[in-house]
Amino acid sequence: AQKITQTQPGMFVQEKEAVTLDCTYDTSDPSYGLFWYKQPSSGEMIFLIYQGSYDQQNATEGRYSLNFQKARKSANLVISASQLGDSAMYFCAMREGRISNFGNEKLTFGTGTRLTIIP
Amino acid sequence: DAGVIQSPRHEVTEMGQEVTLRCKPISGHDYLFWYRQTMMRGLELLIYFNNNVPIDDSGMPEDRFSAKMPNASFSTLKIQPSEPRDSAVYFCATRGQRPWTGELFFGEGSRLTVL
Repeated sequence: AQKITQTQPGMFVQEKEAVTLDCTYDTSDPSYGLFWYKQPSSGEMIFLIYQGSYDQQNATEGRYSLNFQKARKSANLVISASQLGDSAMYFCAMREGRISNFGNEKLTFGTGTRLTIIP
Repeated sequence: DAGVIQSPRHEVTEMGQEVTLRCKPISGHDYLFWYRQTMMRGLELLIYFNNNVPIDDSGMPEDRFSAKMPNASFSTLKIQPSEPRDSAVYFCATRGQRPWTGELFFGEGSRLTVL
């Protein structure tokens, strides 16, 4: 089974609208971390936001927020007031296990969603 | 501060040739990762180091692949001999300054094409 599932291969959104990128995950470990990365056309991977499995509140970083629904095992990324510069590939990723446990460093990535912002 | 620096940015080589990819991590980051990105398989972890010691190389596809980290400021990923199916973008990444999250900082990647 896929550990990270991103069901939207591509999305088109009007500039200034909010957009939600879907991510579901699968793990039996009670400790895990969820990440979102952005990959613009230039190719680099840019960290956006992190959510820990024990975090009580949804993570927010500027225009980015993570809608964390633990029971549904979903970690959707919400981008408010989208901008042309948000056009990129977006990857959801998961690390299983406590960060303090030596060896739990592997990030498993989803297949990504290509977001295109329309002027 | 300089980010993760990778070289070369682009490499085109012929099948059978040796390829060496290089990475300079962010100073002070004690974890270094090598990832590979292809259309078919997405992003895959190949190997990672902690304090210059390889911790998990289970993602290295074959013996043709090897990685070293001789010191805290330099790592290499070598493919010998290279094959067309090795064509991919290879990323080096290091662990960020917030250890409790484990966020990674990626280099710009090395795009390898094996003809």
